[in-house]
Amino acid sequence: DAGVTQSPTHLIKTRGQQVTLRCSPKSGHDTVSWYQQALGQGPQFIFQYYEEEERQRGNFPDRFSGHQFPNYSSELNVNALLLGDSALYLCASSRSSNYGYTFGSGTRLTVV
Amino acid sequence: LAKTTQPISMDSYEGQEVNITCSHNNIATNDYITWYQQFPSQGPRFIIQGYKTKVTNEVASLFIPADRKSSTLSLPRVSLSDTAVYYCLVGDMETGRRALTFGSGTRLQVQP
Repeated sequence: DAGVTQSPTHLIKTRGQQVTLRCSPKSGHDTVSWYQQALGQGPQFIFQYYEEEERQRGNFPDRFSGHQFPNYSSELNVNALLLGDSALYLCASSRSSNYGYTFGSGTRLTVV
Repeated sequence: LAKTTQPISMDSYEGQEVNITCSHNNIATNDYITWYQQFPSQGPRFIIQGYKTKVTNEVASLFIPADRKSSTLSLPRVSLSDTAVYYCLVGDMETGRRALTFGSGTRLQVQP
């Protein structure tokens, strides 16, 4: 049973560029959440998608956007990258009706 | 959401029992306590969850006093592979659509 799959694993971008990160949820899960984890800090909630709509959003600017597809997979887009966007981006999937979150291994984004 | 306070770091040796305490003075009546483990460059992994008294699984034990204002994660006979960051989270279990709030966690270093 595949868990949460994220791609790519590592990425280097230049300041001002745009980036798209991808997440395939665990089988049977319909909700996808994205988290940003800076070095030495705990994960910070970015937003959550359910039924192809953004349902909750953390304290992140609208440079951060996302999408959920009919097969429940999701994308995180970040525009106008800043050096401070360098972090590990984690995707977590869950079943909307039950508590239980499975995290992927993340995408390490470095902005230079 | 109830705020949690944990020690920033702990050191231990292989074979010892490790106890990590988390304070959550403002825990609500319907809140549960959940602990996650995170290895470098991986997403957090669920360890154990409880509401009151004691919960034990194959990995750890969770002790929760009657007032529920704190909890203690107990790892029996740690090994080098238990070196990780441990997060204490507090929140309800009603759905899988909760935005998880992570603190900075406790960095456990196990030495030979």
